[in-house]
This record gives sequence, structure tokens and C-alpha cells, in this order.
Amino acid sequence: GESVGLHLPTLSVQEGDNSIINCAYSNSASDYFIWYKQESGKGPQFIIDIRSNMDKRQGQRVTVLLNKTVKHLSLQIAATQPGDSAVYFCAENRGNAGNMLTFGGGTRLMVKP
Amino acid sequence: SQTIHQWPATLVQPVGSPLSLECTVEGTSNPNLYWYRQAAGRGLQLLFYSVGIGQISSEVPQNLSASRPQDRQFILSSKKLLLSDSGFYLCAWSVGWNTEAFFGQGTRLTVV
Repeated sequence: GESVGLHLPTLSVQEGDNSIINCAYSNSASDYFIWYKQESGKGPQFIIDIRSNMDKRQGQRVTVLLNKTVKHLSLQIAATQPGDSAVYFCAENRGNAGNMLTFGGGTRLMVKP
Repeated sequence: SQTIHQWPATLVQPVGSPLSLECTVEGTSNPNLYWYRQAAGRGLQLLFYSVGIGQISSEVPQNLSASRPQDRQFILSSKKLLLSDSGFYLCAWSVGWNTEAFFGQGTRLTVV
């Protein structure tokens, strides 16, 4: 079936370096994408979103890139901090009624001091 | 501001016992409501979603059911729990189309 998947299950980076988390999606009808951050034992928190009519969106220390040609989504975190350690999920809206989000399997980001 | 409440935070239940998890949203009207399940170290699986009172759609066949008796109340239930029902259950809400969903803090259910 159609799904959102991730390339790397675990990413380890040095504090202060930039992090890049990747996501592949297969539903060409998806028109809205979100990155969530989930800390241990908590619910996912919204980080940043992007619509299909855009290819880049920036937030505070984070940038999301969307490549619709190859159905690829990435999250870039600048100057990664220990507090960024968490599991990151990409999610897509399948473009149908009810605003349903389909989530990928997640990438664990570990920040080394 | 909008808030979402989900309880209990943790729950240990024997196999064959019933289940009732409750989720309420404050500060918004006519939200879309969702129940997700997350197995340990895995992604989120959508179980149920609701666009209005009494309107429930199920994404996967399973041992669970959902109900929405009030606009901002969403309940996840089971008549008889299975070991495979163990997991982290998350309630979420959203408003409108192509908007982010906001999650509760989750309920960790362990069926023993």
C-alpha cells in the first residue's frame, strides 16, 4: 500500500553540526506534509509543515525541503543541540476527506555532546 | 487556547478485560478527532478518525472501537483486550483541511 517511509532509522550527530533527516513518500496525491518531533513517552509535537505548491520552507533552525519529482522530503536542523534528541516523523495528508495523516516509521536523532 | 486531555497516562489490564480510554479537546469547535496506536520503537498507525458527533471511520480491522458522544469527546474502547492490544495510544485533533494535528500525551497500555 501507499505509505511514508524513512531512509535511516537512527542518526547520530555531533552537537553544533547540522542534521538532515530524510523521508520518502509514495502517494502522488499527497499535498501536505508535516514533520513531528517525539520525545520519549510523549505525544508528537509539530515542528514544521509544507504544502505541495512549495519546495522549501524555513522555521527557526529548521528547514523542510520537498522534491515532488522524486517524492522526497527532508528536515534540516541547523546547529543541532542536545535538546533536539528525539524521534522525528514525517507525515503526509493523503489528499482525501478528513485531513488524515499517514506517518512514516520515524528516525531517531542522537546528539553527541 | 486549545488543549487536549487524554487519560489515563498508563494502564495495565489483564487479557479479556474491557478498555475505555477518553480524550477531550478544549478551546475549539467541531474538530477532527483521531486515535493512533504506536508500537514500541515504531511509527504511528491511524486507528479511527471522526469528523463529527457519531461519525466514526475505522482505518484497520481490529479488536477496538471508537465513539464520539460529544463534539469534543472521543473514546476508544474494547470489550475484551488481547495481548496484541498493548501499545502507546495517542489522541489527536485538527481543524479544517490540510492542517497539522495536535497530539495528547498518550496512554501506555500494557495487556498482561
